[in-house]
Amino acid sequence: DAKTTQPNSMESNEEEPVHLPCNHSTISGTDYIHWYRQLPSQGPEYVIHGLTSNVNNRMASLAIAEDRKSSTLILHRATLRDAAVYYCPPRSPYTGANSKLTFGKGITLSVRP
Amino acid sequence: DGGITQSPKYLFRKEGQNVTLSCEQNLNHDAMYWYRQDPGQGLRLIYYSQIVNDFQKGDIAEGYSVSREKKESFPLTVTSAQKNPTAFYLCASSTWTGSPPGNTIYFGEGSWLTVV
Repeated sequence: DAKTTQPNSMESNEEEPVHLPCNHSTISGTDYIHWYRQLPSQGPEYVIHGLTSNVNNRMASLAIAEDRKSSTLILHRATLRDAAVYYCPPRSPYTGANSKLTFGKGITLSVRP
Repeated sequence: DGGITQSPKYLFRKEGQNVTLSCEQNLNHDAMYWYRQDPGQGLRLIYYSQIVNDFQKGDIAEGYSVSREKKESFPLTVTSAQKNPTAFYLCASSTWTGSPPGNTIYFGEGSWLTVV
C-alpha cells in the first residue's frame, strides 16, 4: 500500500491562504491523489483529486509535484469552517485489493479568527 | 436523498457482549468499508467488501465480523473478543472501478461505541 506522511498540524489565520502538504513517495503510476477532510465528530468528505495535472474546484486547488511524490492542497481563503483534519490517500482506479483506501493520521488545520 | 446511514449514533456495550452496528447505503455502490477511529488518531480499515457475499480483512479485523448479504447493507459486529472496542466507527461506500469521481468514497456520519 502506498503510504502518506503529513505534518501533524498547521495553523492559519482566517481569510489567508493555506498550503497543506502531503508526501506519497511510494505512490504507483496509476493511483489518483485524493484529498478528504473530516470535521469534528463527522465522517470524512471528499475535497478534490488529481492524477498529474493541477486541479481546481469550488472547495480548493490541488498542486501535484512533477514526480508525483508529493502534493499540496491549497485553500485560497481559509475560513473557520475549514478547521478540520485533512487526509491525502492515494486511490487506485482498479479492483481487487487495490480498491481499499488507506488513510494516515492526517493533518489538523486550525484557523484563527 | 442518496447517502449512507449508520445506526445507532451512540451505543453502549457491557464487557463480554457482542454488538452490531448497522450501515445502509442507497447509492448503488458495489464496495463498502468499515473504519475505526480512536480519539486524535487516523482511520484504520477493519473490513471491506467489493461485492455481495464477499469481504476481506483490513488492517485490524481481529475481534470484528461482517456480512454482505445485500448490496445496500454491510453490518459490523463487534465481538467480545475485541478487547478495546471503545472508538468511533465509520462506514463508507464507493464504486470500485474507473477514474474519479466515480470511485470517490462516501462516508456515513459514524457511530460512537463505548464499553461500560
